[in-house]
Amino acid sequence: KAGVTQTPRYLIKTRGQQVTLSCSPISGHRSVSWYQQTPGQGLQFLFEYFSETQRNKGNFPGRFSGRQFSNSRSEMNVSTLELGDSALYLCASSLWGLADNEQFFGPGTRLTVL
Amino acid sequence: KNQVEQSPQSLIILEGKNCTLQCNYTVSPFSNLRWYKQDTGRGPVSLTIMTFSENTKSNGRYTATLDADTKQSSLHITASQLSDSASYICVVGSNAGNNRKLIWGLGTSLAVNP
Repeated sequence: KAGVTQTPRYLIKTRGQQVTLSCSPISGHRSVSWYQQTPGQGLQFLFEYFSETQRNKGNFPGRFSGRQFSNSRSEMNVSTLELGDSALYLCASSLWGLADNEQFFGPGTRLTVL
Repeated sequence: KNQVEQSPQSLIILEGKNCTLQCNYTVSPFSNLRWYKQDTGRGPVSLTIMTFSENTKSNGRYTATLDADTKQSSLHITASQLSDSASYICVVGSNAGNNRKLIWGLGTSLAVNP
């Protein structure tokens, strides 16, 4: 069974631009969660999608948004990029939900904002 | 306030030695406790997941314990290998009706030296 895939793996943008990251969960998994990880901060929860609906949301500004498609694939969008958005963005999938089942993480997308 | 605290923050051991990492949590209601291993720049990989009724679980050379009364968990690594060098993250799941969430610790950075 294929694991969680994320594209692109690396991205360089400049301040003010916007970016879209993609995540394909493990086949059959309906929950997709997104995290931001910066050095010294640990994983910060962005949001969780389940059956195309946002089910949980972390404490991030509205510049961070996401969506989930009917095939459970998910995208995350960051608008008006800031230097502080430079981070590793991780996607995780689980069968029914992040708190209920084991989460499987993708390799991440390394975003650099210049 | 829901919190997960890990100690030590970092640890250096020699190859072949054993070590124990600690996790204390104040999360309510408690659903499960997980340990993840994260190599630098990659997504976390699940080592163990334990529910309230489980007090020990092993995954190869990794053994996790859980004391739900004292709200403490430990991860014991036996006969360490160079490949064990990574960050180990303790995560507690909370499931209260529609409020499902994971509370992440900041991790313990382990370096195994030859």
